[in-house]
Amino acid sequence: GAVVSQHPSWVICKSGTSVKIECRSLDFQATTMFWYRQFPKQSLMLMATSNEGSKATYEQGVEKDKFLINHASLTLSTLTVTSAHPEDSSFYICSAPLWGGPRVEQFFGPGTRLTVL
Amino acid sequence: RKEVEQDPGPFNVPEGATVAFNCTYSNSASQSFFWYRQDCRKEPKLLMSVYSSGNEDGRFTAQLNRASQYISLLIRDSKLSDSATYLCVVIESASKIIFGSGTRLSIRP
Repeated sequence: GAVVSQHPSWVICKSGTSVKIECRSLDFQATTMFWYRQFPKQSLMLMATSNEGSKATYEQGVEKDKFLINHASLTLSTLTVTSAHPEDSSFYICSAPLWGGPRVEQFFGPGTRLTVL
Repeated sequence: RKEVEQDPGPFNVPEGATVAFNCTYSNSASQSFFWYRQDCRKEPKLLMSVYSSGNEDGRFTAQLNRASQYISLLIRDSKLSDSATYLCVVIESASKIIFGSGTRLSIRP
């Protein structure tokens, strides 16, 4: 099946630094990708929809200046957590939809675990 | 009202039991529906699609009720390995995919 990769798989950084997370669709093109955040023992929370060639759409309560999204190509979206703080420590997951005629399947990256000290 | 709602659980059932949970959606024009399974600290993985005619895969049965706007997942003869969080996913359009908050299922020996 289709594969979505994320890099890095985990990162530890100091408070105040910026962290960039990459999401790639390896064998298909995705004009749209989704970014989620998941805190321990909680469900996935959609943060934003990344759109190739246009601005990302952010969910209510998600600061666009804090979480910068760039959909650089049809196979790459990046999420940059700017000036990270300990409360940003979380599991960040991306996904990309693959449409096959009228049907669509969502493929998830393996996630990036961010720990901010 | 949330666009997609699920009972968060946790559902705690004995091994071998049958368990079912629902997911309601608000947009009657929603196009496609799926159940995903997420294990702790892992990404969600597709469990099965949900069709109007119903969809059965082994011990799992998924159904769609468009009139009442909900989908359901039934697990028969539950196994310990079924313990996970089950997410319903509703596709409204090419750019709008909505996840439920997930239902936690725990199977006890």
